[in-house]
Amino acid sequence: AQSVTQLDSHVSVSEGTPVLLRCNYSSSYSPSLFWYVQHPNKGLQLLLKYTSAATLVKGINGFEAEFKKSETSFHLTKPSAHMSDAAEYFCVVSSYTGFQKLVFGTGTRLLVSP
Amino acid sequence: EPEVTQTPSHQVTQMGQEVILRCVPISNHLYFYWYRQILGQKVEFLVSFYNNEISEKSEIFDDQFSVERPDGSNFTLKIRSTKLEDSAMYFCASRDREQYFGPGTRLTVT
Repeated sequence: AQSVTQLDSHVSVSEGTPVLLRCNYSSSYSPSLFWYVQHPNKGLQLLLKYTSAATLVKGINGFEAEFKKSETSFHLTKPSAHMSDAAEYFCVVSSYTGFQKLVFGTGTRLLVSP
Repeated sequence: EPEVTQTPSHQVTQMGQEVILRCVPISNHLYFYWYRQILGQKVEFLVSFYNNEISEKSEIFDDQFSVERPDGSNFTLKIRSTKLEDSAMYFCASRDREQYFGPGTRLTVT
């Protein structure tokens, strides 16, 4: 069965500094991986997805993630944090079945200070 | 831009009561899902729905839960007899190539 592990429950950065949110995955097959963001009192928004086309995936709002099979990782990065990036971030793997249920990590809360 | 909508945004109910959570998926999507997120916990899959039937369900989705697509636009989750532990945020999603989530319904069972 597929699973993801988010290594940090909270990450604090200063505005303008880089962001790194870590995720490791476990999958018997070549996985489809996603990052979703949840702002307070909002729904889940897709940031980016990996589906084996390219290992470096670019998403919205300047985020990107790199798929590293040798490390079973899919870390999310951004060169320069903005106050509006403060939110909960979920690393997600899609099941291999045709109906593609999503399996979520426990989430990382990103705090951005001025 | 099309989006998934959910109503109500917040529902308070008494233990043992039935609740129906409503979702309007994106119009050309064919796959529909419900997830829930208990406060402080991760998002959990409940059920997927395709071609007017359940395609997959989790262990959480027991006999007190049911889903329905009563017409061409709505997708509902019914909880027949709510328990305190059903208190959670419930998210609906629909899919073409990826899943798009609604804003959620916060269910509070007292």
